[in-house]
Amino acid sequence: TQLLEQSPQFLSIQEGENLTVYCNSSSVFSSLQWYRQEPGEGPVLLVTVVTGGEVKKLKRLTFQFGDARKDSSLHITAAQPGDTGLYLCAGPRTYKYIFGTGTRLKVLA
Amino acid sequence: KAGVTQTPRYLIKTRGQQVTLSCSPISGHRSVSWYQQTPGQGLQFLFEYFSETQRNKGNFPGRFSGRQFSNSRSEMNVSTLELGDSALYLCASSRREGADTQYFGPGTRLTVL
Repeated sequence: TQLLEQSPQFLSIQEGENLTVYCNSSSVFSSLQWYRQEPGEGPVLLVTVVTGGEVKKLKRLTFQFGDARKDSSLHITAAQPGDTGLYLCAGPRTYKYIFGTGTRLKVLA
Repeated sequence: KAGVTQTPRYLIKTRGQQVTLSCSPISGHRSVSWYQQTPGQGLQFLFEYFSETQRNKGNFPGRFSGRQFSNSRSEMNVSTLELGDSALYLCASSRREGADTQYFGPGTRLTVL
């Protein structure tokens, strides 16, 4: 059983389009993190959301934590080829982080 | 400040062999966690070391082991390699043990033939 489900699994879009990826769980998390992983590299932390309903912006990326702290979304405005990568959400569970299934994004020039 | 480094970056082994991977955490970080990443299972937690002691362990067989040295550097060992051990092995360092903010290294790509 996967605690954190991400959708969509794959996404291929044209440069300039907007997109949203989702991270859902039936469990409550005290916080959720979003990472981006590029081919051949480790995940890089983008943001941590802590409060239910919280919205954080990182340039063209907007992250939202659900009111019930069971889900989160990542919205990218005017996607660029540099946004290409695997997007992972992660939440703390006792002594470790649980990672989501991932969304593989490809932005075509 | 230098990031997390992992060596080697790529490794090819055959079934039955053993392998040792190395991880140097960010200076000042005392916790090192290891993860296995595969296309089918995603990122899965192997174990965490803090102050030279294994503090937490994921659901992996005993063939997977590790250790941490006094300078916080960590090594991971896999014995009697199986084809299914082919994966990207990532280490992450953090200041404190447990669910603290982690910083990942670039990983070691292990291929078992």
